[in-house]
Amino acid sequence: NAGVTQTPKFQVLKTGQSMTLQCAQDMNHNSMYWYRQDPGMGLRLIYYSASEGTTDKGEVPNGYNVSRLNKREFSLRLESAAPSQTSVYFCASRATTGTLGYTFGSGTRLTVV
Amino acid sequence: EDQVTQSPEALRLQEGESSSLNCSYTVSGLRGLFWYRQDPGKGPEFLFTLYSAGEEKEKERLKATLTKKESFLHITAPKPEDSATYLCAVQASNTGFQKLVFGTGTRLLVSP
Repeated sequence: NAGVTQTPKFQVLKTGQSMTLQCAQDMNHNSMYWYRQDPGMGLRLIYYSASEGTTDKGEVPNGYNVSRLNKREFSLRLESAAPSQTSVYFCASRATTGTLGYTFGSGTRLTVV
Repeated sequence: EDQVTQSPEALRLQEGESSSLNCSYTVSGLRGLFWYRQDPGKGPEFLFTLYSAGEEKEKERLKATLTKKESFLHITAPKPEDSATYLCAVQASNTGFQKLVFGTGTRLLVSP
């Protein structure tokens, strides 16, 4: 029962490089999310996908793109990394009904130098 | 604008010393208030959802309560393994269920 799996766990990029953060969930959840967590800022929503085939911008979408590949997978892409994107990135998923909160992955710690 | 403020930022307790964490919120219609626990280097772990004023939820040494403007997470006789950052988040009814607004958390350290 893996829940939400994120890869990689750590990554260092040079300014201007691109990369894709991968996320997969095995709970048959419809909704998936990408958050970033910065000291003193709390978790902030980057993008979300309410269901397979749909994506929407969150609070801080600039510099990012997403793909909902299928019901299980939701990837986050940084096309040209900037130092301001140094952060810890969390993927989460949630069923569309029920009282449970989001299930989060263990995070990707990204440093852009 | 929906906002969540948690206090204190950090709290140090002795084992067995009960206390409470506060989460104050302003939202245009509350759909739900969530409490999460986050250990260092890990993702947040869901604890509770509260939906209406007066509601209470309990889990082991933790008890969450909700009023119209704030929520409390009461920790009774804490143990060192309760040390973590506790996050509060709200979901506003005007945004649908898609967005949670998080507070910055309370870092709890319980010493033996």
